[in-house]
Amino acid sequence: NAGVTQTPKFQVLKTGQSMTLQCAQDMNHEYMSWYRQDPGMGLRLIHYSVGAGITDQGEVPNGYNVSRSTTEDFPLRLLSAAPSQTSVYFCASSPSGAETQYFGPGTRLLVL
Amino acid sequence: GIQVEQSPPDLILQEGANSTLRCNFSDSVNNLQWFHQNPWGQLINLFYIPSGTKQNGRLSATTVATERYSLLYISSSQTTDSGVYFCAVVSGAQKLVFGQGTRLTINP
Repeated sequence: NAGVTQTPKFQVLKTGQSMTLQCAQDMNHEYMSWYRQDPGMGLRLIHYSVGAGITDQGEVPNGYNVSRSTTEDFPLRLLSAAPSQTSVYFCASSPSGAETQYFGPGTRLLVL
Repeated sequence: GIQVEQSPPDLILQEGANSTLRCNFSDSVNNLQWFHQNPWGQLINLFYIPSGTKQNGRLSATTVATERYSLLYISSSQTTDSGVYFCAVVSGAQKLVFGQGTRLTINP
């Protein structure tokens, strides 16, 4: 199993550009989530999904969209990037929200 | 929402020393995990421990759910133990809430 994979590893955007961060898992997990980590801080939940077709907001959802059309994939979309979205983004999956969560390697995003 | 506090924020030790990291949380939880974030940024699961005690080699963890805290013990520290240790909890809605972390530095 590849576990949780994320692409790209690193991305530079200009303010106002859009992009999609990809996340995929091959463990047949129902629960998937996106977090951002800013310097010196813990991870904060952006959006999560408890299954295909179901998504919900986390602690810091503004500026981000998600969809879950399949069990395997959970992309995160930035419609109009802002410098405040410069961060490291982690995707995670687990059988359910109350069980062990497994994290991807992260995507480092710089918005100029 | 639930609050998660970790202490100490920073810890510097010599190789071979033992350490105890603490995680306090403000409400009952149905999921508590300890993670190690290595210097390359990778998050590694250490323990899933909503209650009780678990051990894995030099690491062990204890969660006392009724008193709303968890402890992570690292014995005979090695330089490879360096990094940031996070506690994260789920309470009620399926949202994982992280503490601010403890930065551990093990000097040779």
